[in-house]
Amino acid sequence: GAVVSQHPSWVICKSGTSVKIECRSLDFQATTMFWYRQFPKQSLMLMATSNEGSKATYEQGVEKDKFLINHASLTLSTLTVTSAHPEDSSFYICSATDRVDYGYTFGSGTRLTVV
Amino acid sequence: AQSVAQPEDQVNVAEGNPLTVKCTYSVSGNPYLFWYVQYPNRGLQFLLKYITGDNLVKGSYGFEAEFNKSQTSFHLKKPSALVSDSALYFCAVSLYNTDKLIFGTGTRLQVFP
Repeated sequence: GAVVSQHPSWVICKSGTSVKIECRSLDFQATTMFWYRQFPKQSLMLMATSNEGSKATYEQGVEKDKFLINHASLTLSTLTVTSAHPEDSSFYICSATDRVDYGYTFGSGTRLTVV
Repeated sequence: AQSVAQPEDQVNVAEGNPLTVKCTYSVSGNPYLFWYVQYPNRGLQFLLKYITGDNLVKGSYGFEAEFNKSQTSFHLKKPSALVSDSALYFCAVSLYNTDKLIFGTGTRLQVFP
């Protein structure tokens, strides 16, 4: 089946630094990738949608300058949290679809802790 | 606006008993409905989906769900619960002309031995 690899699975960084999270579709071409944020004991909040080769579409309230998304190829999307602060600490999950059979495959998530 | 509701924060069931996790939706147009399961500190695993066709959908790990258009529901069921089914379950909806998945708030299933 379709597999999405997300790295790193966890990261600790200092306030003010930037962190990059990678999301790769291993065995299919992901025309669209999604980035979600999940707070403890809460649902997934869609942050942005990215299509290969074009700018990401951000959901209302998500700071595009803080959460930089790049979808440079059909198998790779990255999320960079810039100038991270403790309130950015969260669980980030990516998802990818090839628009075939309405399938969405999720990465295993990244636990970001900003200290 | 489309939305998904999971009215129960937690469902408790004894091992071997049937389980139901409820989901209702509100969309304009034909919904595409999904169930996912999440284990601690992990991503989401796909269980099943309804796109069209038979209202009863069978999925992974013995789970099934019934699409009920009149009640706008898509409840997840399993005839006999296992302790290993204990996890967080999410219902999600998408419209045919968008790629976005909108998630419910999640229901924690606890299966007791």
